[in-house]
Amino acid sequence: SQQGEEDPQALSIQEGENATMNCSYKTSINNLQWYRQNSGRGLVHLILIRSNEREKHSGRLRVTLDTSKKSSSLLITASRAADTASYFCATEADRGSTLGRLYFGRGTQLTVWP
Amino acid sequence: DGGITQSPKYLFRKEGQNVTLSCEQNLNHDAMYWYRQDPGQGLRLIYYSQIVNDFQKGDIAEGYSVSREKKESFPLTVTSAQKNPTAFYLCASSNMESFTGELFFGEGSRLTVL
Repeated sequence: SQQGEEDPQALSIQEGENATMNCSYKTSINNLQWYRQNSGRGLVHLILIRSNEREKHSGRLRVTLDTSKKSSSLLITASRAADTASYFCATEADRGSTLGRLYFGRGTQLTVWP
Repeated sequence: DGGITQSPKYLFRKEGQNVTLSCEQNLNHDAMYWYRQDPGQGLRLIYYSQIVNDFQKGDIAEGYSVSREKKESFPLTVTSAQKNPTAFYLCASSNMESFTGELFFGEGSRLTVL
């Protein structure tokens, strides 16, 4: 399976601290994406990193990708209580498979305490 | 506002009944997807469609059916053949012409079998 796997499954921190979540996957990818899901809601796209990129920033988010280790990390700096949510990584296979076909991991549940 | 609308948000079904979940988008996206999410699990692809009048099975299509008669609409029917239909169902879409890899999700439909 190409499905990504997030680590840890759950993370609990205080406001102001940084939160780091990791994702590992098994096969070659075209890109890797991170999504956020508030409880009982749909997923929201956060950031995409392509296979030829090593690091990407968006606001308080920093994503790294190591294709040699087939892993990625999502760093949320200066966490806020509003960041409490589940975070999923999703991989898109190399072209040749279905465009837009994403494989999702099981997610990391992040809780940020005020 | 452009987006994806799923209805109903909550649905209860008796065993042996078919139910249809609605998904409508006004983003002018070509591709649409149905995912299933179980507690503590990642998203699993049920069906997807990249063009009107065409759709493909995902990883867990058994017990489900779809249609794509209009670009804007991609309804999912959960049939009585689906043995464990209680789950959270998410519809998504993407722009194939200028594909950036991002999926746009609806708010989900929660189906409970009584």
